[in-house]
Amino acid sequence: DAGVTQSPTHLIKTRGQQVTLRCSPKSGHDTVSWYQQALGQGPQFIFQYYEEEERQRGNFPDRFSGHQFPNYSSELNVNALLLGDSALYLCASSLVTDRNTIYFGEGSWLTVV
Amino acid sequence: SQQGEEDPQALSIQEGENATMNCSYKTSINNLQWYRQNSGRGLVHLILIRSNEREKHSGRLRVTLDTSKKSSSLLITASRAADTASYFCATVLNSGYSTLTFGKGTMLLVSP
Repeated sequence: DAGVTQSPTHLIKTRGQQVTLRCSPKSGHDTVSWYQQALGQGPQFIFQYYEEEERQRGNFPDRFSGHQFPNYSSELNVNALLLGDSALYLCASSLVTDRNTIYFGEGSWLTVV
Repeated sequence: SQQGEEDPQALSIQEGENATMNCSYKTSINNLQWYRQNSGRGLVHLILIRSNEREKHSGRLRVTLDTSKKSSSLLITASRAADTASYFCATVLNSGYSTLTFGKGTMLLVSP
């Protein structure tokens, strides 16, 4: 049973560019959340998707957008990249009926230069 | 903003010793969870304690929760070098969502 998988593992982008990160949730999970973790900090919630809709959003600008597909996989898009967007982006999956069981992927390291 | 704040920020101990990490939070919660993160990798769930529980054990882990003080502690007994990692507490609010609000974490170094 595959856990949460994320791609790419590492990437480097230039300021002003756009990036798309991908996440496949754990088999059977229907809810996907995205977190940003800056170096030396705890993860911060970006948004959560369920039934292809954004259910909840953290304190992130509109440059951060997402999508969930019918197969429950998800994408995180960040436009107009800033140096401060450099971070580990973590995807977490869960079941809407069991919000306490949350699995994380290994993350995507984004470096903005 | 961060809901939880861990204390200490860093902890260095010898193998075999116990490690205690504390976490404080600000608002009422549904449950509190502890996660472990090896350097630059994903988060691994360790233990969950519900708001109506006061203590929970799992192997070498012991978690306490004091909702009146809005604080929790994680005790790792008989630590091993493999326990070296960052540890985060995260709270789930009563909103009905599975959103986690993390603290800044405690870096634990266990020396052989």
